[in-house]
Amino acid sequence: KNEVEQSPQNLTAQEGEFITINCSYSVGISALHWLQQHPGGGIVSLFMLSSGKKKHGRLIATINIQEKHSSLHITASHPRDSAVYICAVLQGAQKLVFGQGTRLTINP
Amino acid sequence: DVKVTQSSRYLVKRTGEKVFLECVQDMDHENMFWYRQDPGLGLRLIYFSYDVKMKEKGDIPEGYSVSREKKERFSLILESASTNQTSMYLCASNLSSGSGYEQYFGPGTRLTVT
Repeated sequence: KNEVEQSPQNLTAQEGEFITINCSYSVGISALHWLQQHPGGGIVSLFMLSSGKKKHGRLIATINIQEKHSSLHITASHPRDSAVYICAVLQGAQKLVFGQGTRLTINP
Repeated sequence: DVKVTQSSRYLVKRTGEKVFLECVQDMDHENMFWYRQDPGLGLRLIYFSYDVKMKEKGDIPEGYSVSREKKERFSLILESASTNQTSMYLCASNLSSGSGYEQYFGPGTRLTVT
C-alpha cells in the first residue's frame, strides 16, 4: 500500500462543476503540498499546509491531521484547470513522498 | 521569480551511453533534488544535495550518480544508460528552512533510452 493515496485517479467533469480530489496518507508529516502538473511536465506548487484550510482564487485546500486526510476543491471549474494534481507529504525537513496523481479533464 | 532550468526537454540516448542531465537554479537555494516520474508510480527521489559537494541517496539511487560543484548547478549522471531508465526526470530546489520548504520544479527532461 502506498504511503500517499489519491482518489480518484482520473476525473472528467463539465465546465462549471465543483471538483474534489482526495488525499489520504499513512505516515507522520510536517506539511502537505498540492501540486499541479500541466501537459509538457512542469510542476507548480498550489498550496503547502499543515493545518486547517487555505484558499487561492477558485482553489481551496483543507487538511485534517487527525484523520490523515486532505482535499483539494476547485469551484466553477474551467477547461484550463485540466491537469494532473499531485498530493505530496513532507516528512521531516526535506523528504517529500508523492501520491500517484489525479488526472483532471474539464470539458467545455 | 524562482527559476529552475533543465538542459534538455527531450533526450534520446542509446543503451550503454553515459548521460548527463543538468539543472540550474537562480535563487541561491541550498537544496537541490532529482526525481524521476513514471506512470503509476508518481515521483520518486533519486538523489538530493543540501550543499556544494554534499549529496544523499534518495529512494532509487541505483544506476545514477550526481555532482554538485557549484551551488546553482546539480547534475544527474547515468553512467551506462539502460532502457529501464527511460522516464521523465525532474529537478527541484528549495531553501533549507522556514517557508522555504516549498520545492520549485524545473520543466522536466523526457529521456528515452533505446
